[in-house]
Amino acid sequence: NAGVTQTPKFRVLKTGQSMTLLCAQDMNHEYMYWYRQDPGMGLRLIHYSVGEGTTAKGEVPDGYNVSRLKKQNFLLGLESAAPSQTSVYFCASRDSPYNEQFFGPGTRLTVL
Amino acid sequence: RKEVEQDPGPFNVPEGATVAFNCTYSNSASQSFFWYRQDCRKEPKLLMSVYSSGNEDGRFTAQLNRASQYISLLIRDSKLSDSATYLCVVNGGAGNTPLVFGKGTRLSVIA
Repeated sequence: NAGVTQTPKFRVLKTGQSMTLLCAQDMNHEYMYWYRQDPGMGLRLIHYSVGEGTTAKGEVPDGYNVSRLKKQNFLLGLESAAPSQTSVYFCASRDSPYNEQFFGPGTRLTVL
Repeated sequence: RKEVEQDPGPFNVPEGATVAFNCTYSNSASQSFFWYRQDCRKEPKLLMSVYSSGNEDGRFTAQLNRASQYISLLIRDSKLSDSATYLCVVNGGAGNTPLVFGKGTRLSVIA
């Protein structure tokens, strides 16, 4: 089992460019999450999904969109990147609202 | 009141010391509790779940006090490799609410 994987690992964008981050899990988990973590700060929830075809807003959803067309994949899109979106993005998944989450290794995004 | 509160530290302790972290949570409906460990620039990883009766995993002991709504983590015989940030995590209550993560307590174990 690969667990939770994220693509790409690193990316540099220019202001105004768009991109999609891919999260994939092979554990058949229903629940998937996207977080961002700025240097020296805690995790902040961007969007999440409680099952295939569903999405919901987290704490900091502005500037991001998500899709969960397949159960194993959760995509995070930046429509028009801004320097304030420079961060490390973590994806996570779990099988139940009462169990622990498993995180991917993160994507380090820099917006110039 | 923040949902999950932790002392950010840093806690600087010598090797072999015992160190304890506390965490308080505000949602009395929370039913699942965890400690995660996060190394610098890496993803958080589950250290241990926290059960009502308290539980131990090697040098690590976790306790839950539902009445006072706090969780503790005790690390005995600290190792250099224990240096990390420890995140207190609480489930958001009923339904599909996401886990709530504390901002973490930073531990540095010094030789």
